[in-house]
Amino acid sequence: AQSVTQLGSHVSVSEGALVLLRCNYSSSVPPYLFWYVQYPNQGLQLLLKYTTGATLVKGINGFEAEFKKSETSFHLTKPSAHMSDAAEYFCAVSGMNRDDKIIFGKGTRLHILP
Amino acid sequence: DTGVSQDPRHKITKRGQNVTFRCDPISEHNRLYWYRQTLGQGPEFLTYFQNEAQLEKSRLLSDRFSAERPKGSFSTLEIQRTEQGDSAMYLCASSLGQSLYEQYFGPGTRLTVT
Repeated sequence: AQSVTQLGSHVSVSEGALVLLRCNYSSSVPPYLFWYVQYPNQGLQLLLKYTTGATLVKGINGFEAEFKKSETSFHLTKPSAHMSDAAEYFCAVSGMNRDDKIIFGKGTRLHILP
Repeated sequence: DTGVSQDPRHKITKRGQNVTFRCDPISEHNRLYWYRQTLGQGPEFLTYFQNEAQLEKSRLLSDRFSAERPKGSFSTLEIQRTEQGDSAMYLCASSLGQSLYEQYFGPGTRLTVT
């Protein structure tokens, strides 16, 4: 079965510093991978996704993630944190058949320090 | 606004009562998903529809839960004989198709069972 592990339920970085949110996945088939962001009192919004092709994926708001098959990882990064990046971030993997549900990690809350 | 909408946004009910939530997906989307999110957790898959057909139900979806999408447009999620453990945010998402396509999430319905 597919699963996602997000390392660190809370991450704090200073404004302007590098953001690194870690995600490892387990999948018996080549996965589709996703990062979603959830701002307070709002629904989830897709940041970026990996399906096939280039392993470095660029998303919205300056975020990017790299698919590393050998490490079964899909870490999310942003070179310079902004106060508006404070939110909860969810890594997700597609289901067994890559054709159905998405399985989410437990989330990492990102705090930005002034 | 052409996004996914959910109604109501908040529901407080007493244990044992029945509740029904509605989700209106983006109009051209043929897939509709229901998730449940509790505090400190990522969204957990409940069920999904392809047009009016319910294709998969999670083991989380007990016999007290039922979902419908009668005309392949809006969907309802009913919980009968609510329990305190049902308190959660219920999220709806829609997409054009399989997991390759982005799921667009609604703002959710927060259920509190007293």
